[in-house]
Amino acid sequence: QVQLQESGPGLVKPSETLSLTCSVSGGSIRSNFWSWIRQPAGKGLEWIARIYDIVNDKSNYNASLKGRVTMSVDTSKSLFSLKLNSVTAADTAVYYCAKWSADRACFEAWGQGTLVTVSS
Amino acid sequence: IVLTQAPGTLSLSPGERATLSCRTSQSVSSKYLAWYQQKPGRAPRLLIYGASSRATGIPDRFSGSGSGTDFTLTISRLEPEDFAVYYCQLYDDSIPIIFGPGTEVDIK
Repeated sequence: QVQLQESGPGLVKPSETLSLTCSVSGGSIRSNFWSWIRQPAGKGLEWIARIYDIVNDKSNYNASLKGRVTMSVDTSKSLFSLKLNSVTAADTAVYYCAKWSADRACFEAWGQGTLVTVSS
Repeated sequence: IVLTQAPGTLSLSPGERATLSCRTSQSVSSKYLAWYQQKPGRAPRLLIYGASSRATGIPDRFSGSGSGTDFTLTISRLEPEDFAVYYCQLYDDSIPIIFGPGTEVDIK
């Protein structure tokens, strides 16, 4: 069973770049799809990005964040990453990485989440 | 496409039946509608995919139904561990992934 673990700085300054990684164990990173989701405190879930074709490096992003977000995969290390630039306080949230099932069109496995606070 | 969930909060007692609604702003394929449960401080957990298929390990008191624009998650008899927030999620090529705002099921 796939297990996911997020890691990265818990505090990022405004206007800087938020960088997170998600380590994948118990399954192949090459043959699955991966995604990032976030949740501000006390609010709902917001999908951020998804890699759906690792071989051809194809991904898609939430239109509200497009231009600020990049997602990538490192198959040699079995991890994938998120970069969100020009952050503001509105980007403060718990960030989750997740495994996307293309067959079932849902997130089958989630990391535990990591809180990222944007503050000077 | 916009997802709406109703009610925002559902106050019930253990043993009661819970009926949660998820509506889409346009007709969608039921194949692409999923439900999740989230407890405080925890990651969401997949309950239902394809509108009506239970995920692995999900008790049969959870059931999903619906088509078109109206989808329902039903919890037949609430157990103490079922009090949580529930989200619906839709996949569509044009979006491609969105979540509803959630329904909180709390103890009456």
